Amino acid sequence: SQTIHQWPATLVQPVGSPLSLECTVEGTSNPNLYWYRQAAGRGLQLLFYSVGIGQISSEVPQNLSASRPQDRQFILSSKKLLLSDSGFYLCAWSVEETQYFGPGTRLLVL
Amino acid sequence: QKEVEQDPGPLSVPEGAIVSLNCTYSNSAFQYFMWYRQYSRKGPELLMYTYSSGNKEDGRFTAQVDKSSKYISLFIRDSQPSDSATYLCAMSLHTGANSKLTFGKGITLSVRP
Repeated sequence: SQTIHQWPATLVQPVGSPLSLECTVEGTSNPNLYWYRQAAGRGLQLLFYSVGIGQISSEVPQNLSASRPQDRQFILSSKKLLLSDSGFYLCAWSVEETQYFGPGTRLLVL
Repeated sequence: QKEVEQDPGPLSVPEGAIVSLNCTYSNSAFQYFMWYRQYSRKGPELLMYTYSSGNKEDGRFTAQVDKSSKYISLFIRDSQPSDSATYLCAMSLHTGANSKLTFGKGITLSVRP
């Protein structure tokens, strides 16, 4: 069966610090991978998606970036965090139309 | 007009009640429809998935799609306190590599014992 991991689970970072969130998927090959941010009252916002190694599409211009160095690894990064980057970050995978979410990382930027 | 509109809630019902959760959409090209359940501080989990008009039943849950009215619903029978969560509708135009989902904002359901 397929499983998806995200770490860390919780992160508190100062404004201006860098960020690296990691997501890995097990039990499937060549999945589509997604990064979402969920802010209170604003629903799920798609940030990036990837259909293969090194292939990243950005949905929202911002100070975040994503990379996919391996088939089942997806990384979300920032060089300098902003207060507005606080939120719940979710990674998801899909092979067809349904997406399956990881447990999420709660990020608080102070 | 937003692509997907979901009743904002929150919704509070007594245990055993029948719950109806609804979403409307504006893009008639949506083909695939999903409901996710999200417990507090957890990732969403896929609850129901359907791609045709009509009803799909899974235990106490029934997903209904009316493509002509651009309306989907999730019914929960004999609701339990464990059903207390946020429910998100989602829909997709395509399958495979282009299967980006459009989500509703979610509705928080509380089932009182």
